[in-house]
Amino acid sequence: SQQGEEDPQALSIQEGENATMNCSYKTSINNLQWYRQNSGRGLVHLILIRSNEREKHSGRLRVTLDTSKKSSSLLITASRAADTASYFCATVGLKTSYDKVIFGPGTSLSVIP
Amino acid sequence: AAGVIQSPRHLIKEKRETATLKCYPIPRHDTVYWYQQGPGQDPQFLISFYEKMQSDKGSIPDRFSAQQFSDYHSELNMSSLELGDSALYFCASSPTGLAGDTQYFGPGTRLTVL
Repeated sequence: SQQGEEDPQALSIQEGENATMNCSYKTSINNLQWYRQNSGRGLVHLILIRSNEREKHSGRLRVTLDTSKKSSSLLITASRAADTASYFCATVGLKTSYDKVIFGPGTSLSVIP
Repeated sequence: AAGVIQSPRHLIKEKRETATLKCYPIPRHDTVYWYQQGPGQDPQFLISFYEKMQSDKGSIPDRFSAQQFSDYHSELNMSSLELGDSALYFCASSPTGLAGDTQYFGPGTRLTVL
């Protein structure tokens, strides 16, 4: 991938459990974003964390960012079957404008009812 | 709230044909990005436009061209289509193009080349 690795590549859990996905990237960033994609459909923006932030919450989502390790994690608590999807982390670089989003390879999450 | 609109949603073409994909950004967004996502792959950046000028270029084949029009909609033109061009093509828009802006993605156009 242009950007780095996501870990794990695939994750299968029971409904109600927590799911943790990790992402590493290669270059310095302005921000890091997480997206969800249901089976070849559109990309849904979940959360954005800026390089000067360490943790961010949105509903059942918790994102952490460690710029010293160039890594981020996405935690989904109390997972539901509807959370089954692919999850991508994506970074935006340090250009002051027009910077593209660079996606990681994604984690495929299956939540078993 | 208005979202990014892409048309068509599905397109089937034969090898060596041409295809045109359209993207209508969220109103008052002046920056448009195009991404290509092959089967089982992560989205890859193709090209972007800010105020009707190309602002960045990624892994876009020479057979593809794009432009942004005065009403800020964008079109991706693809010629001499190959089987490997079969993919989901996403357009995204952002309000200013600044690196801190969130990019809002459209639903994508699924192109199948037979």
